[in-house]
Amino acid sequence: QQQVKQSPQSLIVQKGGISIINCAYENTAFDYFPWYQQFPGKGPALLIAIRPDVSEKKEGRFTISFNKSAKQFSLHIMDSQPGDSATYFCAAANDYKLSFGAGTTVTVRA
Amino acid sequence: EAGVTQFPSHSVIEKGQTVTLRCDPISGHDNLYWYRRVMGKEIKFLLHFVKESKQDESGMPNNRFLAERTGGTYSTLKVQPAELEDSGVYFCASSRKLIWGLAGVADTQYFGPGTRLTVL
Repeated sequence: QQQVKQSPQSLIVQKGGISIINCAYENTAFDYFPWYQQFPGKGPALLIAIRPDVSEKKEGRFTISFNKSAKQFSLHIMDSQPGDSATYFCAAANDYKLSFGAGTTVTVRA
Repeated sequence: EAGVTQFPSHSVIEKGQTVTLRCDPISGHDNLYWYRRVMGKEIKFLLHFVKESKQDESGMPNNRFLAERTGGTYSTLKVQPAELEDSGVYFCASSRKLIWGLAGVADTQYFGPGTRLTVL
């Protein structure tokens, strides 16, 4: 059973636009919510992460919004750039074990 | 600092054959994890080592999979005999501390580039 559901599967955005990826979870024991970015031929790399006691975290052009009551969280990529084209995975963890979403392939068109 | 390395990058084998995947974690990282991504689905946890000890192998699909970590350094994941459904990308990750360990501080899991396994 998939513990973290991620949507959309893929999205295309114009340069300068906003990319939004949504994730939902069921297990209330999750207490750490990272996002990973993966480029072709590379492994996933931590992009940004949030704890459930915070509703929003921003790092540069990347923002996580977290809604604990709805058990949902999302990644916003502002001013999307061609270099942001990658696969993004949301994840949730209880202790060491990461449960990943299925991934979203983001393509930024120049 | 060298990252997590995995070998081979690709492996194509026949059903019923044996394959061994290797992972070299970042030096000094006691925690080592194996994950698998099958057919564009989610990345799934397989198991977790702390040094040479298996802490959690709850994600291992069945007894055809055997993971070892010699001397707490590199790790191998053997699939014997391989089946068609074993095809996928196998990722290894390492970290210094547990995520959200006793100190309440998350530590990043650093992923290797993965091994793409194709079973024909």
